Amino acid sequence: SQQGEEDPQALSIQEGENATMNCSYKTSINNLQWYRQNSGRGLVHLILIRSNEREKHSGRLRVTLDTSKKSSSLLITASRAADTASYFCATSSFTQGGSEKLVFGKGTKLTVNP
Amino acid sequence: KAGVTQTPRYLIKTRGQQVTLSCSPISGHRSVSWYQQTPGQGLQFLFEYFSETQRNKGNFPGRFSGRQFSNSRSEMNVSTLELGDSALYLCASSLTGGLNTEAFFGQGTRLTVV
Repeated sequence: SQQGEEDPQALSIQEGENATMNCSYKTSINNLQWYRQNSGRGLVHLILIRSNEREKHSGRLRVTLDTSKKSSSLLITASRAADTASYFCATSSFTQGGSEKLVFGKGTKLTVNP
Repeated sequence: KAGVTQTPRYLIKTRGQQVTLSCSPISGHRSVSWYQQTPGQGLQFLFEYFSETQRNKGNFPGRFSGRQFSNSRSEMNVSTLELGDSALYLCASSLTGGLNTEAFFGQGTRLTVV
């Protein structure tokens, strides 16, 4: 079952604009990660935010985490055509067996028009 | 440092056949996870192996199995293929698969069942 749910499902913007994607989840987490996937290819890790962190930056990326609302947002500033991809949030939590697994949402498809 | 390598990249099989997919993790990584990605269900966790032991398992039927070798390379096998098994199969490796570790994904194997 999906843990994270991204919103919106699709987003189309012009180059230079900012893109904001949201992720909501249901259970308590150890951390939340964002990944990017170019069409039909593997996922690339973008950023990891721990459950005790509220905000994190990496280049043009800004991630926030609100554990009280069980939500996270990914902001891409000054978007470029090369940012066109699907973006997934993944939550990390312990399983009954004590190990950890990543559970992915269905993703937001971002299109940046030149 | 070589990335995660999945072979083959593309595969076409007939219903009822079986298939074996291979994943070579990044050197030094001991955890390998497998995911199935379809347009309808998104990214679904299949299983995780660590030091040749299955540490975690998703909600897939017994037709889906896997194993990990002493060099951390992993294979997954799907027997008695069904049309619904058509998907992109992704493997991800990480150092330990534990708390707050980043997962590195391969390019995936696209399986088509006809």
